[in-house]
Amino acid sequence: DADVTQTPRNRITKTGKRIMLECSQTKGHDRMYWYRQDPGLGLRLIYYSFDVKDINKGEISDGYSVSRQAQAKFSLSLESAIPNQTALYFCATSVGQGANEQFFGPGTRLTVL
Amino acid sequence: GESVGLHLPTLSVQEGDNSIINCAYSNSASDYFIWYKQESGKGPQFIIDIRSNMDKRQGQRVTVLLNKTVKHLSLQIAATQPGDSAVYFCAERPSYGKLTFGQGTILTVHP
Repeated sequence: DADVTQTPRNRITKTGKRIMLECSQTKGHDRMYWYRQDPGLGLRLIYYSFDVKDINKGEISDGYSVSRQAQAKFSLSLESAIPNQTALYFCATSVGQGANEQFFGPGTRLTVL
Repeated sequence: GESVGLHLPTLSVQEGDNSIINCAYSNSASDYFIWYKQESGKGPQFIIDIRSNMDKRQGQRVTVLLNKTVKHLSLQIAATQPGDSAVYFCAERPSYGKLTFGQGTILTVHP
């Protein structure tokens, strides 16, 4: 969905490096999410934010941090990347409380060597 | 260490056939059940949802069935087309809670 963009789309890095994945949205949604997808597995929630001043941990937040710079921007950082963090990362947005429909970006494929 | 991925359930159908994708859920407190479609190289896309007080809901070419007694959810796709080939995820959430996604099922439609 072009309304939710992620940069970079692909990244290869080395163990111990700090990495930032960025997400921007033009949908005007207040809620943003970061998910991780591993081969053969569903999506697992890393962090989510209901507005600029609200940040919440998901089920697998260890080793990650986030920043909600503005309503439209939500960044995910890996402070010291490890090979187990090799995965496909998705940003998503939704509107309102309890929304079933989330709008996903195209994903960032991250490889940690 | 290297992680080993799980093998997703797969379903292969001929174009024009009806498809049924199944999902078992575990949380009795879930109030909403949702289906997402993920095409190769793209993010998941919402298809349809159903609330726990319903047992059937229809959309365009899709029907979702909910059986709370056995905690089972299914997605029926009528007249399946090659463009329906994707990974399909079920998801659930309690009222005002967060989505929890299932493992996914690979649907392959043969022309």
